[in-house]
Amino acid sequence: NAGVTQTPKFQVLKTGQSMTLQCAQDMNHNSMYWYRQDPGMGLRLIYYSASEGTTDKGEVPNGYNVSRLNKREFSLRLESAAPSQTSVYFCASQRGIETEAFFGQGTRLTVV
Amino acid sequence: AQSVTQLDSQVPVFEEAPVELRCNYSSSVSVYLFWYVQYPNQGLQLLLKYLSGSTLVESINGFEAEFNKSQTSFHLRKPSVHISDTAEYFCAVTDSGTYKYIFGTGTRLKVLA
Repeated sequence: NAGVTQTPKFQVLKTGQSMTLQCAQDMNHNSMYWYRQDPGMGLRLIYYSASEGTTDKGEVPNGYNVSRLNKREFSLRLESAAPSQTSVYFCASQRGIETEAFFGQGTRLTVV
Repeated sequence: AQSVTQLDSQVPVFEEAPVELRCNYSSSVSVYLFWYVQYPNQGLQLLLKYLSGSTLVESINGFEAEFNKSQTSFHLRKPSVHISDTAEYFCAVTDSGTYKYIFGTGTRLKVLA
């Protein structure tokens, strides 16, 4: 049982490049989330998908887009990377709002 | 709108001493509250959660948290900490209105020998 799988684990981008972070869960969870973690800022919600077919903005959505491809997969896209997007990105999934969220191992992204 | 405040960014404490990590939340609807722990270079793991019922919830490794609705708090406590408890702890809240899952800024617990 893999849980939540994120790819890639590490990435270095040049300013202006684009990339997509992939996330897949095999627990048949309804909700999925993308967070960024920065020192002293905790985890900040970028986008979330409460159920298949829906996506909503979180606390810091600017510069990002998402796609809930199916129930399993939720991708995060940076169209034009900026140094301010250097961060560790976590994907999470959850069966319902009263249940535990399961996290991937994170993607460490550096934009130079 | 939901928000979570963890006022203490770092808490140093000696081994076997008690510790309290503070968490306050803001939400206008019924909430569900969680504490997660993050060890270095790892993802987050659930420590405990409050859904309803008894306001005191416990984890399997000796932590406990008390939900206080009047003070909108969910503080985490442990009567005697171990070196292995050194980690970052995050408080989180969800509510039935938005389905957002919001985290606090985290408290770094450092247990000293």
